Amino acid sequence: GESVGLHLPTLSVQEGDNSIINCAYSNSASDYFIWYKQESGKGPQFIIDIRSNMDKRQGQRVTVLLNKTVKHLSLQIAATQPGDSAVYFCADSQFYFGTGTSLTVIP
Amino acid sequence: DAGVTQSPTHLIKTRGQHVTLRCSPISGHKSVSWYQQVLGQGPQFIFQYYEKEERGRGNFPDRFSARQFPNYSSELNVNALLLGDSALYLCASSFYTNEKLFFGSGTQLSVL
Repeated sequence: GESVGLHLPTLSVQEGDNSIINCAYSNSASDYFIWYKQESGKGPQFIIDIRSNMDKRQGQRVTVLLNKTVKHLSLQIAATQPGDSAVYFCADSQFYFGTGTSLTVIP
Repeated sequence: DAGVTQSPTHLIKTRGQHVTLRCSPISGHKSVSWYQQVLGQGPQFIFQYYEKEERGRGNFPDRFSARQFPNYSSELNVNALLLGDSALYLCASSFYTNEKLFFGSGTQLSVL
């Protein structure tokens, strides 16, 4: 069945460094991907999305890259800040979420 | 602007009981989706409704049901509660289907 999975369950980075969170998906027909951030005690919050007709999309301090050949996408966070500490999920459309990567930013 | 609101925020039930969770979407959003999130895992899709019709259903038993009302609010019902139903239940809304979701803060359900 369809699934998405993140490569690392945890990631620690120094404040000011760039962070990269990776995700793999299995459904070749998937055409829409979304990254969410979830802070403790809150629901997931939309960060950025990308449709399959694009390879890259940029937002404020965030970039999503999509490689359809190997069914892989990544979230890059520039100049990581303590407020970026959270669990990050990739989602395949609205239905399938990965297990999440917990990002810890070290001051 | 009000975001997605869910009620109650916390709920304690015993095995075998029934529970109803409620969700109000962002104004103008016509689609509501429900997710179950167990600690340490990603949200698991339960249902999606759009314009009061079910548009998707995840791999959950028939004890789980939902509906969407004319004002686009929604209820999730769970019958014959099991200990394993203890989780955070998230509601999310969007204008249409297959779009980014806006989540509420969830209802934390504990089944004893």
